[in-house]
Amino acid sequence: QVQLQESGPGLVKPSQTLSLTCAISGDSVSSNNAAWNWIRQSPSRGLEWLGRTYYRSKWYSDYAVSLESRIIINADTSMNQFSLQLNSVTPEDTAIYYCARVGHFGLFYFDYWGQGTLVTVSS
Amino acid sequence: DIQMTQSPPSLSASVGDRVVITCRASQYTDIYLNWYQQKPGKAPELLIYATTRLQSGVPPRFSGGGSDTHFTLTISSLQPQDSATYYCQQSYSSPLTFGPGTKVEVK
Repeated sequence: QVQLQESGPGLVKPSQTLSLTCAISGDSVSSNNAAWNWIRQSPSRGLEWLGRTYYRSKWYSDYAVSLESRIIINADTSMNQFSLQLNSVTPEDTAIYYCARVGHFGLFYFDYWGQGTLVTVSS
Repeated sequence: DIQMTQSPPSLSASVGDRVVITCRASQYTDIYLNWYQQKPGKAPELLIYATTRLQSGVPPRFSGGGSDTHFTLTISSLQPQDSATYYCQQSYSSPLTFGPGTKVEVK
């Protein structure tokens, strides 16, 4: 059974960097079939896919165009986890952040989700 | 980006009723349409993927249909535990996008 667990600060000041980690159990971040995603949810934006990382002989990451200039998603194979870094945050980035797995790379549905972590951007 | 819309935004129905939720995509999405159920305070859970395929463990009263840009989620006999918000999501092209949700209340 795959389990995902987000962790990180619940409060970030405007203009600073939001950093979250997603710990994986029951699968490998280096899996050749999966992709590892960050999704957020807020009342104003609904569910918003932020980006993903995956391994296919080498590491790839791709991001929502609207965030490309300030987002990085990385994998840490030694800890079997992946991370989200979002720079220059504003109150608009306040949301529940989820990590999620795409288990079937061709169909791109999210079959496992973390429980979510609320991040508030406020001074 | 492919924009997703859902109708109705909310509905109220009785136990045993047949409920249909509609999802429309702004562009062709082939079969790459997925449905999730979200209960308050919880993460979304996958119900249906690739338009019609039932995720393991999901009751068979849930079914999906449609094609191209018009898709449906049907609950054949609504149960009290089906009270939740339902989201469609296209996985045809990046960025992956979600609909705004349909809130289902069970009377």
